[in-house]
Amino acid sequence: DTVLTQSPALAVSPGERVTISCRASESVSTGMHWYQQKPGQQPKLLIYGASNLESGVPARFSGSGSGTDFTLTIDPVEADDTATYFCQQSWNDPRTFGGGTKLELK
Amino acid sequence: EVQLQQSGAELVKPGASVKLSCKTSGYTFSNYYMSWLKQMPGQNIEWIGNIYGGNGGTGYNQKFKGKATLTVDKSSSTAYMDLSSLTSEDSAVYFCARDCVYYGPGAYYWYFDFWGPGTMVTVSS
Repeated sequence: DTVLTQSPALAVSPGERVTISCRASESVSTGMHWYQQKPGQQPKLLIYGASNLESGVPARFSGSGSGTDFTLTIDPVEADDTATYFCQQSWNDPRTFGGGTKLELK
Repeated sequence: EVQLQQSGAELVKPGASVKLSCKTSGYTFSNYYMSWLKQMPGQNIEWIGNIYGGNGGTGYNQKFKGKATLTVDKSSSTAYMDLSSLTSEDSAVYFCARDCVYYGPGAYYWYFDFWGPGTMVTVSS
């Protein structure tokens, strides 16, 4: 299975720019997607196809990358962005998720 | 508005089976695949498999073959997942999520655009 590796946690101040990385153990082309999950809630789609912003998601969120290295950027970060962010690939079977990056605000 | 409504929390004994439901509204059920996913407390999310609302065709993660069985009832726009021979390792939150497809550079890419709120399954004697 394709393993997706994310940093476990980040802490930033409101108004700053934050980048969350996801590295795949093998190429996933641009079949990478990003989700936000708040405690006790279901995940919410942010970015699909590596760089496409889902409808209704603020333009503060953006995604980039291809192959094995991907980035989710939030600029500027707001207090409501406190959550865990997961990357997920759908290029290789089975679909797999990263372990999540917990974003905390200082 | 797309909505996925999942059944309530379950407390089941080891060795038993449980059937979870995901009732949908706000879109044409038979035109989409529905996926099921597992999230253990504080842990990663795993994709279990998916099922096509139109004809019930399924695809499974090899890890969950024999554990999960996916079905649909088109008349009620509801997807179901049966989990069998439950152990403590099956204690988790289970989500249903609608599959959406995006045509990118030379290929189709599948992602989950709407998620249900999840059903917590606790396996305990």
